[in-house]
Amino acid sequence: DQQVKQNSPSLSVQEGRISILNCDYTNSMFDYFLWYKKYPAEGPTFLISISSIKDKNEDGRFTVFLNKSAKHLSLHIVPSQPGDSAVYFCAASASNQGGKLIFGQGTELSVKP
Amino acid sequence: DAGVIQSPRHEVTEMGQEVTLRCKPISGHNSLFWYRQTMMRGLELLIYFNNNVPIDDSGMPEDRFSAKMPNASFSTLKIQPSEPRDSAVYFCASRLQGYSYEQYFGPGTRLTVT
Repeated sequence: DQQVKQNSPSLSVQEGRISILNCDYTNSMFDYFLWYKKYPAEGPTFLISISSIKDKNEDGRFTVFLNKSAKHLSLHIVPSQPGDSAVYFCAASASNQGGKLIFGQGTELSVKP
Repeated sequence: DAGVIQSPRHEVTEMGQEVTLRCKPISGHNSLFWYRQTMMRGLELLIYFNNNVPIDDSGMPEDRFSAKMPNASFSTLKIQPSEPRDSAVYFCASRLQGYSYEQYFGPGTRLTVT
């Protein structure tokens, strides 16, 4: 059973446009969510996070939205740049789980010039 | 500052051989996580330690896998004997427990078992 799902394996966007990456979860105990970016042959790097007490968190070009009732979060990248091309992982954690992260399968974003 | 260090970066071995992967967490971090990434299963947690103590090893696939953390600056993941289906990229990550949920990942070890 996949508790965190990213249903789109890939996404292609034109440079300068908005990229929207989606993530759904099933476990209502999750109270903290993170997005990681991964380039080939490198480890995932932390991008942005959101606590369940918020519905939006913004950091520069990156904004994460959380809809708890729908158990859905999304990452918006505006404007998208070719350097944003990478695999993006959504991850979730429950505060009673010792910091354990459950990852989605990832979405490969390609930003075309 | 040095990030999480993993060695080796690549390992090619024959079925039946013992494989040891190594990890040095970020200095001062007190939680360490081992993950495995495959095409089929994505990024899955194998085991994690808090203050050098294994907390949850429910992700360890079989008894052939074992992990140790003898001190705060070193951990190993051992596979004995290795099998072709163990071929994957293994990541180590560390975190400062009680400060944030963010985990910092190493570059990974790509393991190929022939």
